[in-house]
Amino acid sequence: DTEVTQTPKHLVMGMTNKKSLKCEQHMGHRAMYWYKQKAKKPPELMFVYSYEKLSINESVPSRFSPECPNSSLLNLHLHALQPEDSALYLCASSQDSVGGYGYTFGSGTRLTVV
Amino acid sequence: QQQVKQSPQSLIVQKGGISIINCAYENTAFDYFPWYQQFPGKGPALLIAIRPDVSEKKEGRFTISFNKSAKQFSLHIMDSQPGDSATYFCAARYNFNKFYFGSGTKLNVKP
Repeated sequence: DTEVTQTPKHLVMGMTNKKSLKCEQHMGHRAMYWYKQKAKKPPELMFVYSYEKLSINESVPSRFSPECPNSSLLNLHLHALQPEDSALYLCASSQDSVGGYGYTFGSGTRLTVV
Repeated sequence: QQQVKQSPQSLIVQKGGISIINCAYENTAFDYFPWYQQFPGKGPALLIAIRPDVSEKKEGRFTISFNKSAKQFSLHIMDSQPGDSATYFCAARYNFNKFYFGSGTKLNVKP
């Protein structure tokens, strides 16, 4: 299995809702990432988990809450989002934080906040 | 401050032609330089990558040229095909797990 699987593919949520994005990989990768990508822009790093511990938080607002329950799963909990948070949310993984080279990206969750 | 500068923003090439996308960086601590290809509605996919101790890497129709002294690297797509039409991002890695992406180049290969 050489894929990163993200669910759901599309999500529409109101500003008072609570929702979660899910990411799963079974490649034995020990680093996992959340990126946010706006239209026609490059991906922007949000969080990095290395060996299931949060190692980088790029000053992301607290309405985004990441969670890494185990080495294969990564969640992003969403609460009280704003319309400007609408974007493609990408999960990625790599072999490990030292030896890993490129990322493997998932196809993303297209999030619309109404 | 943009860590990796990419040009051009968009590129139109005839089928069979050569597509060239350029990137430049300043931070000499970057140690790995991948290129990603992204189709609409999909996540970026690793295309080819190079380390700074190598000046060129070729994989099929895709070649990275790397100029360490100039702090520049480029992607060449030979015999460009309509199926290559996508957005291409260069990137540079810092401290093992942090990647900085260029702003992207939208390539359109005309039949």
